[in-house]
Amino acid sequence: GAVVSQHPSWVICKSGTSVKIECRSLDFQATTMFWYRQFPKQSLMLMATSNEGSKATYEQGVEKDKFLINHASLTLSTLTVTSAHPEDSSFYICSARDHRADTQYFGPGTRLTVL
Amino acid sequence: GEDVEQSLFLSVREGDSSVINCTYTDSSSTYLYWYKQEPGAGLQLLTYIFSNMDMKQDQRLTVLLNKKDKHLSLRIADTQTGDSAIYFCAERSSGTYKYIFGTGTRLKVLA
Repeated sequence: GAVVSQHPSWVICKSGTSVKIECRSLDFQATTMFWYRQFPKQSLMLMATSNEGSKATYEQGVEKDKFLINHASLTLSTLTVTSAHPEDSSFYICSARDHRADTQYFGPGTRLTVL
Repeated sequence: GEDVEQSLFLSVREGDSSVINCTYTDSSSTYLYWYKQEPGAGLQLLTYIFSNMDMKQDQRLTVLLNKKDKHLSLRIADTQTGDSAIYFCAERSSGTYKYIFGTGTRLKVLA
């Protein structure tokens, strides 16, 4: 079946540094990918919709300059957390839409810890 | 705005049935999903139902939809310890690919 991967699976960084998370669709092309954030014991909150070849659409309250999204190819979207702070520590999950099946597949998530 | 609610916890004995409930507010919801999340892992799609259906059964899983009351339930028959996880319902409206997730129900299966 369709698979979506994320890299890295976990990352620990110092406050003030930037961290890039990759989301790849492995056996289908995804013109649209989504980035979610999940705080401990909470639900997934949609951060932004990533569209191949165009600017991402951010949800209300999500800072676009802090969470940079690039969707440069049909199989890869990246989320860069710039100048990370401890409050950015969270589980980041991406999903990719397979338009052929009108289905979304979720990645395994990336756990970010900012010290 | 859209809102999806679930009870936070459910505890059942192994072999019993589990019923996880979900309520939503968006009357234009077209697709309703159930996902399973094990500790530290991503989301696993369990099943989904279209809004024009009342029920869907898939092996041990039965989904019931009461569209009038905007109530969705997931029944797991013969619950096993491996079913212990967090279960999320999610809804999506036709014409959009945004998923609205519920708060999640933590299922604990006692041996």
